[in-house]
Amino acid sequence: KNEVEQSPQNLTAQEGEFITINCSYSVGISALHWLQQHPGGGIVSLFMLSSGKKKHGRLIATINIQEKHSSLHITASHPRDSAVYICAGDYGGATNKLIFGTGTLLAVQP
Amino acid sequence: DGGITQSPKYLFRKEGQNVTLSCEQNLNHDAMYWYRQDPGQGLRLIYYSQIVNDFQKGDIAEGYSVSREKKESFPLTVTSAQKNPTAFYLCASSRSVYNEQFFGPGTRLTVL
Repeated sequence: KNEVEQSPQNLTAQEGEFITINCSYSVGISALHWLQQHPGGGIVSLFMLSSGKKKHGRLIATINIQEKHSSLHITASHPRDSAVYICAGDYGGATNKLIFGTGTLLAVQP
Repeated sequence: DGGITQSPKYLFRKEGQNVTLSCEQNLNHDAMYWYRQDPGQGLRLIYYSQIVNDFQKGDIAEGYSVSREKKESFPLTVTSAQKNPTAFYLCASSRSVYNEQFFGPGTRLTVL
């Protein structure tokens, strides 16, 4: 069983919709990462957060350490947001080991 | 531009051949990582290096080897001992093992 679980696995939305992707983790982490992987395969880091909330443009990431849960929100979604969104738990320390979720495939239709 | 480059983007090899994947970074990062991505699975750590001339096995190191002779370079060799080498391989780097990781564009390896 993966220690980082994402839901949903697949998500289709209409342009303009508010989107939420969820991430739960089963063990304690020092930080939680949200990553975006485009169809070509390259990965871009969106957020790294250990508490509270962060916002960048139309993207918002929140984390609740007590509940071991994080959410990624996209406001006013656009077809260019179509990608795989991956959350990863950061165990920090001497290895900087990340445990990755399997990703959420988001398709935003015009 | 600062960043991480991986080459080639697509690589084809015959079964039984060793193949080396390139990863270069000009971010002056000390730490570098290799991950493997398979359909339906999260990225898994193959090897990582905290500093030049040092590297450690990750979760799935069997059938792979690495070297870290230069700070900028962390090549990964997929040997014939790797049972299922066909996958997407991602390289990453970070300022140190305590900092955020940045990813390269990846190399898709297909073994025929």
